[in-house]
Amino acid sequence: GNSVTQMEGPVTLSEEAFLTINCTYTATGYPSLFWYVQYPGEGLQLLLKATKADDKGSNKGFEATYRKETTSFHLEKGSVQVSDSAVYFCALSDQGLNTGRRALTFGSGTRLQVQP
Amino acid sequence: SQTIHQWPATLVQPVGSPLSLECTVEGTSNPNLYWYRQAAGRGLQLLFYSVGIGQISSEVPQNLSASRPQDRQFILSSKKLLLSDSGFYLCAWSAGLATDTQYFGPGTRLTVL
Repeated sequence: GNSVTQMEGPVTLSEEAFLTINCTYTATGYPSLFWYVQYPGEGLQLLLKATKADDKGSNKGFEATYRKETTSFHLEKGSVQVSDSAVYFCALSDQGLNTGRRALTFGSGTRLQVQP
Repeated sequence: SQTIHQWPATLVQPVGSPLSLECTVEGTSNPNLYWYRQAAGRGLQLLFYSVGIGQISSEVPQNLSASRPQDRQFILSSKKLLLSDSGFYLCAWSAGLATDTQYFGPGTRLTVL
């Protein structure tokens, strides 16, 4: 079945440091890939997505490139801020094309702590 | 624009009591709807999804059930809560078959004592 593996946290960085959160996946077919962010006590917000190989998703300074050859979708940001402190989830879409299922398989999440 | 609501935001219930969590979506028609549970410090587990009124698919056998009485309303229920039902419950919607992207509500934190 489909699965997503994320690096374990917490990841602790100083403000303006470079961020990488690793994500690898196992899936049949060609899933879409997502990064969601969860701030304390809140639901998940879509951060970015990519729908096919070599696509780069980007938003709010975050980027991730769909690498089919390495089955990876690593999240990067050049300069993190304290406000980026949150839990980040990598996810892939299900391929139940005829059922409307479209469920997402999530990684376990990576907590990012940015210190001033 | 589309918005998704969940209530209550927080709930504390005794073991063996019933449960009803509600989710509603505004600004879209015939969405796919989903219930997820997030246990403390863990990822999300899909519980139920629905592609239309009265159509519910269960992902994990357990003492929870879901219903969709209206197009944009999704309800999660239990007749008797267990301690293991504690967690953060998230409702999500997507625009049918046209897209994989799901949008999440603010969540309900359930504590069973």
